[in-house]
Amino acid sequence: GENVEQHPSTLSVQEGDSAVIKCTYSDSASNYFPWYKQELGKRPQLIIDIRSNVGEKKDQRIAVTLNKTAKHFSLHITETQPEDSAVYFCAASNGGFGAGTTVTVRA
Amino acid sequence: NAGVTQTPKFQVLKTGQSMTLQCAQDMNHEYMSWYRQDPGMGLRLIHYSVGAGITDQGEVPNGYNVSRSTTEDFPLRLLSAAPSQTSVYFCASSSRKGNQPQHFGDGTRLSIL
Repeated sequence: GENVEQHPSTLSVQEGDSAVIKCTYSDSASNYFPWYKQELGKRPQLIIDIRSNVGEKKDQRIAVTLNKTAKHFSLHITETQPEDSAVYFCAASNGGFGAGTTVTVRA
Repeated sequence: NAGVTQTPKFQVLKTGQSMTLQCAQDMNHEYMSWYRQDPGMGLRLIHYSVGAGITDQGEVPNGYNVSRSTTEDFPLRLLSAAPSQTSVYFCASSSRKGNQPQHFGDGTRLSIL
């Protein structure tokens, strides 16, 4: 699959603060960008996705933005809660996943 | 609706043994895939299938075989287990063509001694 870079690899935030994870991709033909959440010992779960004809998508406290020109997309979590603690993965079309971001929400 | 079902959940093998990881989905999804997950390396695609009778290699296919005789089932076979294949294996499915999973199974934790 194509190369997908994900940053940061770890992120610690105070409860109530926002968390932002950024991914970049190399293939400009990519047109679909999902995000997954994986809690410790569990399966990855699709939490939000965005298609290349849309610049932003929101679902309650999470949102994803896409910049096709710069070839990067980001996950934004607002008003973080302890249950947001997990590993988050981004992916782009053709099967490439980012290496993951471990998010820890401090109470 | 069970989604994606993987068996077994845990397995320990000796080097050189072969085994098959089972995966089944009941959502009539055309696209199915196998990933391995290793610490710090995210999810790496082993093999995938866009429909019954069609399979293709992913990023790390060596040492693994797959078949897709029905829409529902997509087994992964380890031909001759090696310690480097110790990992957590996830099967996934999707109704869309774009190779991105919508649903994952619970995973199989495989240890090769």
